[in-house]
Amino acid sequence: EIVLTQSPATLSVSPGERATLSCRASQSVGSNLAWYQQKPGQAPRLLIYGASTRATGIPARFSGSGSGTEFTLTISSLQSEDFALYYCQQYFNWPLFTFGGGTKVEIK
Amino acid sequence: EVQLVQSGVEVKEPGESLKISCKGSGYNFANYWIVWVRQMPGKGLEWMGIIYPADSDTRYSPSFQGQVTISADKSIGTAYLQWSSLKASDTALYYCARQYCSSTNCYTGSVGVFDYWGQGTLVTVSS
Repeated sequence: EIVLTQSPATLSVSPGERATLSCRASQSVGSNLAWYQQKPGQAPRLLIYGASTRATGIPARFSGSGSGTEFTLTISSLQSEDFALYYCQQYFNWPLFTFGGGTKVEIK
Repeated sequence: EVQLVQSGVEVKEPGESLKISCKGSGYNFANYWIVWVRQMPGKGLEWMGIIYPADSDTRYSPSFQGQVTISADKSIGTAYLQWSSLKASDTALYYCARQYCSSTNCYTGSVGVFDYWGQGTLVTVSS
């Protein structure tokens, strides 16, 4: 099983600042990596797939990068609605999907 | 508008059976894979299994194989997740989601990410 490790577990950021979230895979997943946002009481929302492609309707302040085993989600200027949980997910060996443990982005 | 609407809250006792549902609308339900995802209280996301409603081709996570059954009725656009004997450890929020597809053949041409999600079904198992 491919294990995804997200860091940090919690990220404290002030509104307007940049947030950088990390996801590390236990083996190479190529570019088969997605990011989701989950707010309390809501279902996850797809942000990024293919490591760097924004899903439909996702603002440009969200960007993804990386390949192989190291991936980053960057939120360029945090808005109030961006404070949430973020999960990475790999789909390299379909359908043996795995999710990371999540990073909580909180207001500093 | 694509929507996945799940059945409501369930409170069950250990040993009972349960079947929860996920009804899709606004797209060709039969031709998109549907996945089930578990989220235990205060925890992360776990993939349980995936089904292609057109022919009911179903794949299970090794962690859930034999523990649950996934099915679908394409005639009514609905997928199901069922248990024959619930345990307290099955207490969780369960989501269905649609696998993203931009190809003409979504059976083989889907991307293994999930673009539309149901609202979740909370299952509580307690004596």
